[in-house]
Formats: sequence, structure tokens, C-alpha cells
Amino acid sequence: QSALTQPPSASGSPGQSVTISCTGTSSDVGGYNYVSWYHQHPGKAPKIIIYEVNKRPSGVPNRFSGSKSGNTASLTVSGLRAEDEADYYCSSYSGSSNFHVFGTGTRVTVL
Amino acid sequence: QVQLQESGPGLVKPSETLSLTCTVSGYSITSGYYWGWIRQAPGKGLEWIGSVYHSGSPYYNPSLKSRVAMSVDTSKNQFSLELTSVTAADTAMYYCARDRGVLGIDFWGQGTLVPVSS
Repeated sequence: QSALTQPPSASGSPGQSVTISCTGTSSDVGGYNYVSWYHQHPGKAPKIIIYEVNKRPSGVPNRFSGSKSGNTASLTVSGLRAEDEADYYCSSYSGSSNFHVFGTGTRVTVL
Repeated sequence: QVQLQESGPGLVKPSETLSLTCTVSGYSITSGYYWGWIRQAPGKGLEWIGSVYHSGSPYYNPSLKSRVAMSVDTSKNQFSLELTSVTAADTAMYYCARDRGVLGIDFWGQGTLVPVSS
């Protein structure tokens, strides 16, 4: 199974919005509404911020939102804050592996 | 609060078997969900290794399936990973986690770095 494709980097100024794409195939992203997003700060374990395309776990700010169109899912971080600077990974259920496939990761920089 | 802690040798030699154990506290692994392993090579992205249900039904990444085995010890509230015939390419931070399957991975251990070197 191949990793989902994300842009290597994205950036925005404080208060602005940044959107990260996650492109897969009809066997994963396009075939199921089971996309999750994680962010990972340096030296830390990843933390889930979105599941089932657009649902936020308890405690995750509504500045984080997810969507999907066809084989591409997207994460939008609105009202950027310095603490949003991190690596972001998407993940999808994959019919090929019967479980998870991760994206290549995107480093978000707050300018 | 669910907490997970990885344990295992700090160094593995090439061609040998990497063995890690994850101890879960704050939640009984028999209460449900899958229990998984994810790794991250230095400076690289996340790679799902596999997940196992408390009854022992495992799912493995097809690219690692021939070398991976996972098991559960419900008496100790632990689950384990074995990766055979390791090479330098298996050097990574290994995370254990609670895996809600299609709903994502919601609790992660802090990770343990396992170098593969002679």
C-alpha cells in the first residue's frame, strides 16, 4: 500500500487559515468516510484532532476542521496560533490493508 | 485516563528479532478496541505496523506482514510486538497506541527509539 500524498509544507501568519490536502485513491480516502488527522509536535507522540473526516474529539478546538471531496481530504486550521506549528498527518482506512494508511506528512509553520 | 508505556531493549542487532511490550493503565484492554503499533523512522513519517484485538485477531501492514507478530496478555494488561530479521531500515521510534479502528488512534505511548546496529 502506498502512503497518502500530502504537501511537504504549509505556512500562514497568526490569525490566518491554512489548508492541508491529503490525496489517496478509491481504495482508501475516496472509498470510505474514515479519514483521521493528527498533529505531532517535536519530540512528542502524535495526537488525533479529526476522525471520520470532520469530527473533533473532545477538547480539540473548533479551529480545526476537516472535509473530503473524492479521493482528497483536507484539514483547515483557522485562526492560526503559534502552538499550531507542528507536523500534520492524515490517515485513512484502507480496503487494501484492512486498516490504516498514513499520509506523508505536512510541516506547518506559523510565520 | 488511558496511558500506554512501551518497553524493550534499547538496541537490536541486524538479522535479530525486535521485541517490544506495551503496558496499558487506566483501561482494561479486554474492554474493547484494538491495540496497535506505529513506527517513525528518524526524520520520516508515520507507518502503521499492525493492530490486534484483545481476543488476538491481528491485522498487519501488508509490507511488514511476513516479519511481524503481535500478541496480547490480558492478565498483565499488555500487548507485544515482534519484528524478525531486522535491518538498519527498521531503526525507528516505535509507538504503541489504542486503536479505535476506523475512528482513528486516540491514545499513544510516548514512544521508544530502537536503533538497529551491530
